[in-house]
Amino acid sequence: GESVGLHLPTLSVQEGDNSIINCAYSNSASDYFIWYKQESGKGPQFIIDIRSNMDKRQGQRVTVLLNKTVKHLSLQIAATQPGDSAVYFCAENRAGGTSYGKLTFGQGTILTVHP
Amino acid sequence: KAGVTQTPRYLIKTRGQQVTLSCSPISGHRSVSWYQQTPGQGLQFLFEYFSETQRNKGNFPGRFSGRQFSNSRSEMNVSTLELGDSALYLCASTGGGRAANEQFFGPGTRLTVL
Repeated sequence: GESVGLHLPTLSVQEGDNSIINCAYSNSASDYFIWYKQESGKGPQFIIDIRSNMDKRQGQRVTVLLNKTVKHLSLQIAATQPGDSAVYFCAENRAGGTSYGKLTFGQGTILTVHP
Repeated sequence: KAGVTQTPRYLIKTRGQQVTLSCSPISGHRSVSWYQQTPGQGLQFLFEYFSETQRNKGNFPGRFSGRQFSNSRSEMNVSTLELGDSALYLCASTGGGRAANEQFFGPGTRLTVL
């Protein structure tokens, strides 16, 4: 049958604001999580990752928070810049042989930063 | 260090044809994963190869196949193309150690089936 396009959540912010992008994951056995940024015409670009034994990890201008109780992941971008405009994906991986090399991606969030 | 490269970047084929896409991983990476990205289904895992062996496979029909060579370069093949195979095909390579799960993606091959 005809496929229905994904309706991606959108987030629109002003330059200099902080952005928070949320993601709910489904597999309680997942133990590794990544945030990717994808710009138009490009492949996903790694931003930051976190393992399930942590609940927070910070990078340059980015912070990832993991709440395993409610299976929720968030990406915080400080002082958002126009160059941050892109689609952001969370991805999860479960340890073990059946999950080699397999990332399960969320639907993505479109971030638009206005100058 | 050079990133993941994919060739060709764009392809146009007609229904019923077959296509082969190529991926060269980051030097030293031995695992290559393939994904299909469409507006309707998002990013979906196709398969993963490590040391010339397929270790994992997603839920795609047998028309989708792949292989990996001794230099870790990988190819994927789609036979008997259907309109719904139009997509961006991405490959990603993985290093070892703590970053074993961190996948680095190539720019993708945009396949259009007419």
